[in-house]
Amino acid sequence: DAGVTQSPTHLIKTRGQHVTLRCSPISGHKSVSWYQQVLGQGPQFIFQYYEKEERGRGNFPDRFSARQFPNYSSELNVNALLLGDSALYLCASSPTGGVRSYTFGSGTRLTVV
Amino acid sequence: AQTVTQSQPEMSVQEAETVTLSCTYDTSENNYYLFWYKQPPSRQMILVIRQEAYKQQNATENRFSVNFQKAAKSFSLKISDSQLGDTAMYFCAFMPYSGGGADGLTFGKGTHLIIQP
Repeated sequence: DAGVTQSPTHLIKTRGQHVTLRCSPISGHKSVSWYQQVLGQGPQFIFQYYEKEERGRGNFPDRFSARQFPNYSSELNVNALLLGDSALYLCASSPTGGVRSYTFGSGTRLTVV
Repeated sequence: AQTVTQSQPEMSVQEAETVTLSCTYDTSENNYYLFWYKQPPSRQMILVIRQEAYKQQNATENRFSVNFQKAAKSFSLKISDSQLGDTAMYFCAFMPYSGGGADGLTFGKGTHLIIQP
């Protein structure tokens, strides 16, 4: 069975640009969560989506947005990129949104120059 | 708001030895989950072990066990018979039971564990 897949694996963007990161959950999982992991730190919670509705949001500016599609895949969008947005962005899926069965993907490494 | 503190940035032990990683947390919640995750160079977060706060018995998964002290808000991970493949970043994480997961996980800064041959 395929795990949580994220694309792209790496990308480089310029300050001020916009970026879209993608996540496909495990088949049958209806919830997707996004985390930002800055180098040398633990991941920080950005969003949780369940059944295409936003259920939770961490302490991130409005430049960060996300959505979930009918097939339960998800996009994370970041506008007006800052150097400080450089990080590993992790996606996790779970069947119902609870954390007991979280499965993480391998992340997208974003570098802002 | 919850905080998770891992006071050991890096630890190094010899293969086959036992190692204990420390974690403390702060919360006003009474019901919650605690986790240890492993992050190897492949970057994927892998669940090592999970503890429900209402359970007094410490969780165990093969070579991995925890010492959960609720009153002290302490949650340490013991790895027995350490193996080279255990080399990774280890993160302690907290999730309140209320909210059904909508609050996300709160992670510590991690401990880099190195197993020497």
